[in-house]
Amino acid sequence: KQEVTQIPAALSVPEGENLVLNCSFTDSAIYNLQWFRQDPGKGLTSLLLIQSSQREQTSGRLNASLDKSSGRSTLYIAASQPGDSATYLCAPSRAGNNRKLIWGLGTSLAVNP
Amino acid sequence: NAGVTQTPKFQVLKTGQSMTLQCAQDMNHEYMSWYRQDPGMGLRLIHYSVGAGITDQGEVPNGYNVSRSTTEDFPLRLLSAAPSQTSVYFCASSYSNRGGNNEKLFFGSGTQLSVL
Repeated sequence: KQEVTQIPAALSVPEGENLVLNCSFTDSAIYNLQWFRQDPGKGLTSLLLIQSSQREQTSGRLNASLDKSSGRSTLYIAASQPGDSATYLCAPSRAGNNRKLIWGLGTSLAVNP
Repeated sequence: NAGVTQTPKFQVLKTGQSMTLQCAQDMNHEYMSWYRQDPGMGLRLIHYSVGAGITDQGEVPNGYNVSRSTTEDFPLRLLSAAPSQTSVYFCASSYSNRGGNNEKLFFGSGTQLSVL
């Protein structure tokens, strides 16, 4: 069964630091991978979607990479801000017709002023 | 642009009661889905739909029914609520599940359900 592991589970950093959040998955036969952000008591927001044929995606201060062969994705956050405080989840999707997402438990990030 | 709208935001039920969680999207998305989120567990897919009139089961469908009579709406029905259904429920949609950036998933703000 496909599993997703996110390390670290929690992270607390001072404002301005560059961060790397890690995601590993057991099955390399994924279709694509999304990184989401979840604020407390709210829904999830898709940050980046990396297609299976791509190696990375960038949006502003965020950069996500995907290495299917090693079963890893990383989310890089540059110059972190207090507003980045949230839980970050990665979700690869299975190959095949349904392409259901498989969810990790997330990394809880606190950026301190 | 409202996106994905879920109602109600909070609900308390007694064991055995039934209710419907509402989900509507205004983005003309083909794909809609329901998840539940519980502490210590990843999001789990309950049911999904790839278009009006088409629904299918996810990982944890027991105790829940869905229908998709229109593109916009995808209600989730709890037939006879049980304490094990206490959870936060999220509706999510995407333009399609046929590949490319069309699979970017948009979430509603969730429904906190407690079953006593």
